[in-house]
Amino acid sequence: GAGVSQSPRYKVAKRGQDVALRCDPISGHVSLFWYQQALGQGPEFLTYFQNEAQLDKSGLPSDRFFAERPEGSVSTLKIQRTQQEDSAVYLCASSIGVPSYEQYFGPGTRLTVT
Amino acid sequence: GQQVMQIPQYQHVQEGEDFTTYCNSSTTLSNIQWYKQRPGGHPVFLIQLVKSGEVKKQKRLTFQFGEAKKNSSLHITATQTTDVGTYFCAALMEYGNKLVFGAGTILRVKS
Repeated sequence: GAGVSQSPRYKVAKRGQDVALRCDPISGHVSLFWYQQALGQGPEFLTYFQNEAQLDKSGLPSDRFFAERPEGSVSTLKIQRTQQEDSAVYLCASSIGVPSYEQYFGPGTRLTVT
Repeated sequence: GQQVMQIPQYQHVQEGEDFTTYCNSSTTLSNIQWYKQRPGGHPVFLIQLVKSGEVKKQKRLTFQFGEAKKNSSLHITATQTTDVGTYFCAALMEYGNKLVFGAGTILRVKS
């Protein structure tokens, strides 16, 4: 079937606005991951879900970042009161099993905070 | 925090030359994965190495996992312009549940 999809692909937010980024994983994939990728860097882990349970949120930079996956499929990453340093590409990945399995990445959402 | 060092940061080669990128960790790894990201694209899984000393090949690509499970390498023989992109190693630490990505090696191929 289809791969991982993310929306929107591009988002421009004014500083202080809230944003919500959506991820549709591959159907049947148990694990879902969010990463932040700054220009010229590797993806940095934000948070991990196994089904609807958020098992690790140690990478979330501050309490302005919040992620959910209420029904164990679609996930939303919300950033409140955006700041310029939040500008980055936000990647979502899903995996059929635990984190040791290969991950399938979506195209990412490029967030620019002005 | 836990880090994975990847070198070189950048390599520009003539088409037909070989290319190698290295990944090192100070701690023992459970497994290591390699991803390729084309310019403007997203990371795409290439391979996973699990066993100490493991060597895997995919056509012109050879992946190795060190005996101590602390380092890994990706070697491309006779590069082609289609090999252009950024190659990332991603390590799963022992007893960890998240991948730690290296900073990547950017490969440019001159034809």
